[in-house]
Amino acid sequence: EAGVTQSPTHLIKTRGQQATLRCSPISGHTSVYWYQQALGLGLQFLLWYDEGEERNRGNFPPRFSGRQFPNYSSELNVNALELEDSALYLCASSYASGGNEQFFGPGTRLTVL
Amino acid sequence: SQQGEEDPQALSIQEGENATMNCSYKTSINNLQWYRQNSGRGLVHLILIRSNEREKHSGRLRVTLDTSKKSSSLLITASRAADTASYFCATDPTGGSYIPTFGRGTSLIVHP
Repeated sequence: EAGVTQSPTHLIKTRGQQATLRCSPISGHTSVYWYQQALGLGLQFLLWYDEGEERNRGNFPPRFSGRQFPNYSSELNVNALELEDSALYLCASSYASGGNEQFFGPGTRLTVL
Repeated sequence: SQQGEEDPQALSIQEGENATMNCSYKTSINNLQWYRQNSGRGLVHLILIRSNEREKHSGRLRVTLDTSKKSSSLLITASRAADTASYFCATDPTGGSYIPTFGRGTSLIVHP
């Protein structure tokens, strides 16, 4: 069974640009979570999608947005990139909504120059 | 501030020794989970303990939960060099609106 996949592995952008990160959950999983992990810090919860709907979002500005497609894959968009957006972005999926074991992808390393 | 806070921040031990790391949290929870992260990659789920459970075992892992003290501990027995990683606790707070909260992690180094 394939695990959670994320693309791209690495992404280098400059300030002010937009970044799009993608995530494919494990087959059968309906919930997708996005996290930001800045260097040396813990995971900061960004967004939670379930059955195509945004269920909750963390304490991030509106320029962080995303969506979940009918096949449950998800996209994270970061507009007007700032230097401090440089981080590892992790996607996770789970069988059902909220509180269950999450299966993580390998992450996308975003570098903003 | 973070809901889950791991302690210590870093731990360095020899192979064969036991490693204990702790997690404290602030609000009531449905469950608490421990994850491992190797070298800035994705996290791997280790164990989930529900709020009505006090102790759980999985292989060389032993997790305890004390809801009265709002704390949990992860014990790795007979550690191996391959256990070198960062360990995070994550809480599922009660209240319905699920926002998973992770601590900053404990960095464990096991020397061969």
